[in-house]
Amino acid sequence: TQLLEQSPQFLSIQEGENLTVYCNSSSVFSSLQWYRQEPGEGPVLLVTVVTGGEVKKLKRLTFQFGDARKDSSLHITAAQPGDTGLYLCAGFITSGTYKYIFGTGTRLKVLA
Amino acid sequence: DAGVIQSPRHEVTEMGQEVTLRCKPISGHDYLFWYRQTMMRGLELLIYFNNNVPIDDSGMPEDRFSAKMPNASFSTLKIQPSEPRDSAVYFCASSLGGGADTQYFGPGTRLTVL
Repeated sequence: TQLLEQSPQFLSIQEGENLTVYCNSSSVFSSLQWYRQEPGEGPVLLVTVVTGGEVKKLKRLTFQFGDARKDSSLHITAAQPGDTGLYLCAGFITSGTYKYIFGTGTRLKVLA
Repeated sequence: DAGVIQSPRHEVTEMGQEVTLRCKPISGHDYLFWYRQTMMRGLELLIYFNNNVPIDDSGMPEDRFSAKMPNASFSTLKIQPSEPRDSAVYFCASSLGGGADTQYFGPGTRLTVL
């Protein structure tokens, strides 16, 4: 069974702090995506990474895809209350069949 | 574009009743996905369509669940009969292409089965 484990599950930090969220699997992904979901809404795509070792930046957010394409991290610098939400990674597997799997999620709360 | 539209936004029903959830994808998108989200299991892909044809329904939990896409602008997810464990938020998403193409999610339907 393919599984995407995220850690931590919950994170509550003060405004201005840095944080890192991890997404790990034993499966190899052809691409991996990060989403943010706010209460009462559907997930919204933040970024897609496709190459092992790839690093992408989106303002204060830095995303990295592991060299072996089995893991990824999301680093937020100087977190703000607007970053509060549920962060989900999602991996796409193409070997054998099309499989799209969401991670277990990290619920982030940034306190003002 | 209005984005992905789902209806109803909330549904409360009694065990044993039939439930139909509706989705209108973004115009021009060839892929449509149905997901279920719960606290226990997270976000799970139930089924997806390409050009109105179901491609992979391996995520559909059991025969009580069925999904159709009669045309490019409409899809339904039906549960018959419904059970309390079906209570969840059901999302529909659409994308232009498959693979890693951006999926645009609807606002979801919160289903409560009593």
